[in-house]
Amino acid sequence: EAQVTQNPRYLITVTGKKLTVTCSQNMNHEYMSWYRQDPGLGLRQIYYSMNVEVTDKGDVPEGYKVSRKEKRNFPLILESPSPNQTSLYFCASSLSRSAGKAQYFGPGTRLLVL
Amino acid sequence: KNEVEQSPQNLTAQEGEFITINCSYSVGISALHWLQQHPGGGIVSLFMLSSGKKKHGRLIATINIQEKHSSLHITASHPRDSAVYICAVDRGGADGLTFGKGTHLIIQP
Repeated sequence: EAQVTQNPRYLITVTGKKLTVTCSQNMNHEYMSWYRQDPGLGLRQIYYSMNVEVTDKGDVPEGYKVSRKEKRNFPLILESPSPNQTSLYFCASSLSRSAGKAQYFGPGTRLLVL
Repeated sequence: KNEVEQSPQNLTAQEGEFITINCSYSVGISALHWLQQHPGGGIVSLFMLSSGKKKHGRLIATINIQEKHSSLHITASHPRDSAVYICAVDRGGADGLTFGKGTHLIIQP
């Protein structure tokens, strides 16, 4: 089954404790991205990757890192989480960055930073 | 001003009613997406449009590129249609989609 998976689905952590949210897709998609969703603000892009070893900042990259060592995986790293990073996070992928390609979303990761 | 505006923000209707959700955008786009987010949080892509009209079951999406406007219609609405509907535009650059804030739809039995 074609899908985007994220782990963990739920995470409670404390300020400053490094964490990684994994994202994996099994569709051989080139393009992957991370979004965060906050009440009243909607979805905003954090980072994206056009292909292996090619990543770039989205609209709200501060406090986050990503890597793309393999085509299928695109982990999101919070080196020193802070309470303002409490949010719902989505990973998404599409075949390529060509316009009009459908995006497939992961199930989301709810993060609470205390 | 947001580049993508949706209306209404909230909509409550009775089962069977015809539903319309609107999306206006202020930038040039290469495609527009309609997404559905259920209470559990997962996001599903409903439509991707660059012109005209698409239909899938009881859902219809239209776009008018000249007027920078799109609509999502639901015919014979059902309580299972209750969800947040999100409009997103693809500007065609390397970065990703730009999203509206969503329309929270509740269909009452």
